[in-house]
Amino acid sequence: AQSVSQHNHHVILSEAASLELGCNYSYGGTVNLFWYVQYPGQHLQLLLKYFSGDPLVKGIKGFEAEFIKSKFSFNLRKPSVQWSDTAEYFCAVVSDRDDKIIFGKGTRLHILP
Amino acid sequence: EAGVTQFPSHSVIEKGQTVTLRCDPISGHDNLYWYRRVMGKEIKFLLHFVKESKQDESGMPNNRFLAERTGGTYSTLKVQPAELEDSGVYFCASSQVIRPDTQYFGPGTRLTVL
Repeated sequence: AQSVSQHNHHVILSEAASLELGCNYSYGGTVNLFWYVQYPGQHLQLLLKYFSGDPLVKGIKGFEAEFIKSKFSFNLRKPSVQWSDTAEYFCAVVSDRDDKIIFGKGTRLHILP
Repeated sequence: EAGVTQFPSHSVIEKGQTVTLRCDPISGHDNLYWYRRVMGKEIKFLLHFVKESKQDESGMPNNRFLAERTGGTYSTLKVQPAELEDSGVYFCASSQVIRPDTQYFGPGTRLTVL
């Protein structure tokens, strides 16, 4: 069965620190990969996605993620975080078998001002 | 363009009662999905409509849950009778047929069963 594993459940950083959130998935076939973000009081929104091509994808607000097929990983990065990045981040996959999104458990990110 | 909307935003009911959640997808999106997040767990797929037809309902927990999408526009998810373990946040998402995995989410309905 497909699954997504996020390495960190809760991360606390100071402003300007660098961020890397780990994500691994298990599925033997072709996948599309996503990071979603949920800011406090807001709904889930797409941060970035990978379908094919360049494995380094850039999203909104300075975020990027790298797909490493051999490691089944899709880690999210940002070189310098801001207080406004405080949110919950979800890694997700959609397989070539169907349209349903398989989510990780989420990582709560707190940025200290 | 309006996004996906859900009603109500919160619902508190007692065990054994019935609750109906509503989702209005983005206009023109034929795909409509329901997901649920139970506290402390991951967001899990419940079911998928294409227009008014159920494409995949493999994630529905049991027969106390009934989803409908009459006319292929808005959808309702009814829980009858509600149990304590049904508490959680119910998300709806919609997408276009040509790009089904780019799904746009609603704000969710937080259901609390006492």
